[in-house]
Amino acid sequence: QVQLQESGPGLVRPSETLSLTCSVSNYSVSSGFYWGWIRQTPGKGLEYIAMIYYGGNTDISPSVKDRVSISVDASKNQFSLTLTSVTAADTAVYYCARARGCSSRSCYWYFWGQGTLVTVSS
Amino acid sequence: DIQMTQSPSTLSASVGDRVTITCRASQSISGWLAWYQQKPGKAPNLLIYDASYLETGVPSRFSGSGSGTDFSLTISSLQPDDFATYYCQHYSSYSPSTFGQGTKVEI
Repeated sequence: QVQLQESGPGLVRPSETLSLTCSVSNYSVSSGFYWGWIRQTPGKGLEYIAMIYYGGNTDISPSVKDRVSISVDASKNQFSLTLTSVTAADTAVYYCARARGCSSRSCYWYFWGQGTLVTVSS
Repeated sequence: DIQMTQSPSTLSASVGDRVTITCRASQSISGWLAWYQQKPGKAPNLLIYDASYLETGVPSRFSGSGSGTDFSLTISSLQPDDFATYYCQHYSSYSPSTFGQGTKVEI
């Protein structure tokens, strides 16, 4: 069973940079599939952020495109998300996930991490 | 972006009821639609993909239908474990993926 685990700070100050890592077990990130980040807030619900395929293909939601980068580290079997210039609107539970299938542009998600709450506050 | 609108937002039902949740896309997404179930404090769980294909291990009382802009998720006989919030998600080739706002199924 593929397992994913998010890690990162629970509290980030406004205007600073949020960095999250997803550690993957029982499957190699270099073996295929898209790996992604989705967040959830009470107000906006579930929101797709970004995804990456080992080998470099990435997709980032236009809503955060100017602030987000995503990368994969096969040596550590991890992938990461960086979100710059955070505001209170970025407060959310952040999930990492592995895709089950995709269209030519977007994917749906089967394996999920447990989620990590990130609060943006001074 | 394509907007996904679910209805109702909340649904009150009883064990054994047949329940249908609808999801409407603001433009055609062909059959690029998934349904998830989420329980409090847990990640979403994939139920249906490609609008009507049941994910392995999901009980057969769940079914999905639709294409284009109108989709539905049906639970044929509601079980106690089914009280949860359900989300649709499009993954069309033409627009960034978006989720519906959710439908809470409660007693």
